[in-house]
Amino acid sequence: SQQGEEDPQALSIQEGENATMNCSYKTSINNLQWYRQNSGRGLVHLILIRSNEREKHSGRLRVTLDTSKKSSSLLITASRAADTASYFCATVPDIIQGAQKLVFGQGTRLTINP
Amino acid sequence: ETGVTQSPTHLIKTRGQQVTLRCSSQSGHNTVSWYQQALGQGPQFIFQYYREEENGRGNFPPRFSGLQFPNYSSELNVNALELDDSALYLCASSLGRSGVKNIQYFGAGTRLSVL
Repeated sequence: SQQGEEDPQALSIQEGENATMNCSYKTSINNLQWYRQNSGRGLVHLILIRSNEREKHSGRLRVTLDTSKKSSSLLITASRAADTASYFCATVPDIIQGAQKLVFGQGTRLTINP
Repeated sequence: ETGVTQSPTHLIKTRGQQVTLRCSSQSGHNTVSWYQQALGQGPQFIFQYYREEENGRGNFPPRFSGLQFPNYSSELNVNALELDDSALYLCASSLGRSGVKNIQYFGAGTRLSVL
């Protein structure tokens, strides 16, 4: 079963605009990660934010985390056509033993129009 | 490129058959995780191997099994294939099991179609 829900399911914007995607999750987490997937192929890790962090930046990416609301957002600034992809948030549950598996949401399909 | 390679790229099987998918992890990575991604869905965790032992399993039946070898490469075996097994199977390797060492590097996947 999926832990998280992503919103919106699909987003279409013009090149140069900013894109914001949101993710909500259900259980306490160790960290939350965002991944990108092009055309149903492998996923590429974008950024990791720990449960004790509130905001993180990487290039044109900005991620926020609100553990009280169990939510995160990914902002992509100055979007480019190459940013067209599906974006997934993945949580790592806060467990002591066993696999620190990634629990993915259903993803947001982002389309950047030239 | 993540350095994680999966084979084959595509596979077509019929219901009831068995299939083996292979994954070579990135150099220096001792942990391999397998995920199933149905069309239009996010990946779902199947199981994880750490230093050749299963280190956790998702909600998949026993006909899904795996192996990890001394060089940390891995196999996913699925017996008695069902139509619902049609999906993209993703392998991911990581430096370890926890924290930032658990950042997972994915292969391009194997697309399995069961007819």
